Amino acid sequence: AQSVTQLGSHVSVSEGALVLLRCNYSSSVPPYLFWYVQYPNQGLQLLLKYTSAATLVKGINGFEAEFKKSETSFHLTKPSAHMSDAAEYFCAVYNQAGTALIFGKGTTLSVSS
Amino acid sequence: DAGVTQSPTHLIKTRGQQVTLRCSPKSGHDTVSWYQQALGQGPQFIFQYYEEEERQRGNFPDRFSGHQFPNYSSELNVNALLLGDSALYLCASSLERQGRFSYEQYFGPGTRLTVT
Repeated sequence: AQSVTQLGSHVSVSEGALVLLRCNYSSSVPPYLFWYVQYPNQGLQLLLKYTSAATLVKGINGFEAEFKKSETSFHLTKPSAHMSDAAEYFCAVYNQAGTALIFGKGTTLSVSS
Repeated sequence: DAGVTQSPTHLIKTRGQQVTLRCSPKSGHDTVSWYQQALGQGPQFIFQYYEEEERQRGNFPDRFSGHQFPNYSSELNVNALLLGDSALYLCASSLERQGRFSYEQYFGPGTRLTVT
C-alpha cells in the first residue's frame, strides 16, 4: 500500500537559509507524488507534483523537489527562505487506484529574522 | 477562474446532530473528493464522487455520506455527530472526463466543524 513519511514535525530556519523538508514514500507502483502547503486557517495549495516525467520538479514560490527512486525520497527544497514561507507542508502520494491522496502528518516550517 | 468553494466556513453542532457541508468544484472540474483533517494531522480521505456516484471510500463509517449533483457540486453529510468528528473538512476537485485526466487535486478553504 502507498504511504508517505515526513521526517521532522517541525523545522526552523533563518530568513535566507536553505529550506529542506524531508519526505519518504512507499509504493507498490510508480508513484505520483505531491507537496502541498497550508497557511493558518486555509485550505491546501499545490506546490509541485511528480508524475514520472523529470525527476527534478520545480514548483511555485521558488520550491523544488527531486524524486530519487533509489532512496524512495521526494524532499522539498528552497535555496533561500522568506518569512512568508512559514506554514505547514504536506507530502502526499496517490493511492493505487489513483483516486485518493494519502498525506503525511505534515511539517511545520518556522522562519526567523 | 473560480476556485473550489465551500460553505459554511465554520459550524458548531451538538453531539447526535446531523450536518451538511457543501462544495462547488473549480470551474471545468467534474470530480469531487472529501477529506477530514483533524487538528495537527494530515488530511484523511473520506470518499470521492464522479458522475454522481461514490467511486471510492476511505476508512470512514456509514455515518458519513455524500452526494454529487448534475452540476458537479457536492454535499457531505454526517449523521449522529461525535466529539471526534470535530475537524476541518476539505473538498478537492479534479478533472477526468473526455480523457483529460489531471493528477492535480485543487482544495477549497475547508469547513471547520466543532462538535460540542
